[in-house]
Amino acid sequence: AQSVTQPDIHITVSEGASLELRCNYSYGATPYLFWYVQSPGQGLQLLLKYFSGDTLVQGIKGFEAEFKRSQSSFNLRKPSVHWSDAAEYFCAVGKVGGSQGNLIFGKGTKLSVKP
Amino acid sequence: EAQVTQNPRYLITVTGKKLTVTCSQNMNHEYMSWYRQDPGLGLRQIYYSMNVEVTDKGDVPEGYKVSRKEKRNFPLILESPSPNQTSLYFCASSRTDGNTIYFGEGSWLTVV
Repeated sequence: AQSVTQPDIHITVSEGASLELRCNYSYGATPYLFWYVQSPGQGLQLLLKYFSGDTLVQGIKGFEAEFKRSQSSFNLRKPSVHWSDAAEYFCAVGKVGGSQGNLIFGKGTKLSVKP
Repeated sequence: EAQVTQNPRYLITVTGKKLTVTCSQNMNHEYMSWYRQDPGLGLRQIYYSMNVEVTDKGDVPEGYKVSRKEKRNFPLILESPSPNQTSLYFCASSRTDGNTIYFGEGSWLTVV
């Protein structure tokens, strides 16, 4: 069965430090991949998505992600974290045979930012 | 403005009392779905619909019903809610050939 794994439940980084959130997926072909962010008490905001083409994807708020087929990974990165980036981050993959709206989500990584 | 609107946003109800969470989108999208979010579990799909009168189970459909009588609306029905259905619920819509998924703002449901 398809799955998405976010190995880190909680990460704490200092403001200004770099960030990498890990995401691994199980899927036979090239998947549709997404990263969403959820601030406390808020809804979901799309950070970026990968469908095909360039494996390095730029998103909003200074985030980027790189699709690595050989590692079945789609890690999210940011060179310098701001306090406002504290939130929960979800990686998602489009389901096989479904439209892009049919997603499997990882369990999320909560990001805390130290001053 | 493109929108997915859910109502109610917040609800506390009692076990066994039927309730409906409405979802409406204004983008003429074919595809709509419902997810529930629970701490430590992420979001899990409950039901989805590929078009009017076409619905199918997602990963956690037990205890829920849906209908799609109009393209814009996709209500989630809890016939006999139980405390384990206390959760944050999201509705989403997209075109089947599109690449953007729109989520509603979420509905916090507590069953006591």
